[in-house]
Amino acid sequence: DIQMTQSPSSLSASVGDRVTITCQARLDISNYLSWYQQKPGEAPKLLISDASNLETGVTSRFIGSGSGTHFTLTINGLRAEDVATYYCQQYDSLPYTFGQGTKLEIK
Amino acid sequence: QVHLVQSGAEVRKPGSSVKVSCQTSGGAFATYAIVWVRQAPGQGLQYLGGIIPVFGTVDYAQTFQGRVTITADRSTNTAYLELSSLRSEDSALYYCAWQSGYSSDWSQRSGYFQHWGQGTLVTVSS
Repeated sequence: DIQMTQSPSSLSASVGDRVTITCQARLDISNYLSWYQQKPGEAPKLLISDASNLETGVTSRFIGSGSGTHFTLTINGLRAEDVATYYCQQYDSLPYTFGQGTKLEIK
Repeated sequence: QVHLVQSGAEVRKPGSSVKVSCQTSGGAFATYAIVWVRQAPGQGLQYLGGIIPVFGTVDYAQTFQGRVTITADRSTNTAYLELSSLRSEDSALYYCAWQSGYSSDWSQRSGYFQHWGQGTLVTVSS
């Protein structure tokens, strides 16, 4: 199984800040990476696929980048509604695996 | 718009089995897949496996091989997850999710999940 490691595990930032979450794959996964947002009490929501492809209806404040083994999710202009846990997921090979999550809070 | 509705919460004793359903509606992809992902309390996401209903092909994560069975009833657009030999560590929220794609080969599909069910809480307790 391909291990995915996210950092940090949690972070606190102020409204308006730029936030960056990192996801590291143990093997080269090309660009076969997605990002999900999970708000408390809700199911995950797909934000980005193929490392940088923003899903329809998702705000352009979310930006995904990276390839190979190193990926980032950047949130520009942080808003209170962005409070959630964010997960990366690889789909280069089965079984699909997720990072452990990054919990984002507002200061 | 794709919509996934899951069955209600279940309580089971250790050693027993549970079967959870996921009914889909909407969506233009006849070759969609339904996958199952679980989340233990306060924990992350774990893939169990999936099925491509139109082809009947299944994939199971090695971790759950022998304990998990995923099936689909195309007449009702419903997928099922059955997990056997339950233990306390299987207590979790079980989600179904929808994956678009064309291939019957799981290794050739775009493996991200565009739509999710609301989750089914399974509690394993004596």
